[in-house]
Amino acid sequence: KAGVTQTPRYLIKTRGQQVTLSCSPISGHRSVSWYQQTPGQGLQFLFEYFSETQRNKGNFPGRFSGRQFSNSRSEMNVSTLELGDSALYLCASSSTGTGVEKLFFGSGTQLSVL
Amino acid sequence: GENVEQHPSTLSVQEGDSAVIKCTYSDSASNYFPWYKQELGKGPQLIIDIRSNVGEKKDQRIAVTLNKTAKHFSLHITETQPEDSAVYFCAAPGGSNYQLIWGAGTKLIIKP
Repeated sequence: KAGVTQTPRYLIKTRGQQVTLSCSPISGHRSVSWYQQTPGQGLQFLFEYFSETQRNKGNFPGRFSGRQFSNSRSEMNVSTLELGDSALYLCASSSTGTGVEKLFFGSGTQLSVL
Repeated sequence: GENVEQHPSTLSVQEGDSAVIKCTYSDSASNYFPWYKQELGKGPQLIIDIRSNVGEKKDQRIAVTLNKTAKHFSLHITETQPEDSAVYFCAAPGGSNYQLIWGAGTKLIIKP
């Protein structure tokens, strides 16, 4: 079985631009979560989707949004990028439906905002 | 809200020795406690997890213990090997549903 696939692997953007990150979960997994990882703040929850519904959103500004498609693939979008958005964005999928148990992570998208 | 504290931030042990990493959580309603290992350039990988109705769980050289009264849980790695070098994270379910709250991570260094 293929693992969680995130594209692109690296992104360089400038302030004010917007970006879209993609995540393909493990086949059969319907729950997809997104986390932001930075050296200073560690792993911070962004949002979780299950069957195209956002079930929870973390404490991030409205510039951060996401969606999930009928095939469980998910995208997240960040508009009006700021320097502080530079981070590793991780996607995780789970078969349990809880959004917290048995998470399988992708390798992440490293976003650099200049 | 839920808070998870993890110690130490860095742990250096001799190859073959044991390593112990400890986490403390704040929400007494938490009922699931995973440990993840993150290697350079990769996402975190689940290595072991425990539910609140169990006090200890083992998987080969790795074990997790849970003390619900004290609200802490620990990762134990025995007979450490060079491939154990990585950053280890503990986590617990957040106050809101469907999210994990993470510890700050422990960088484990195995000295040859």
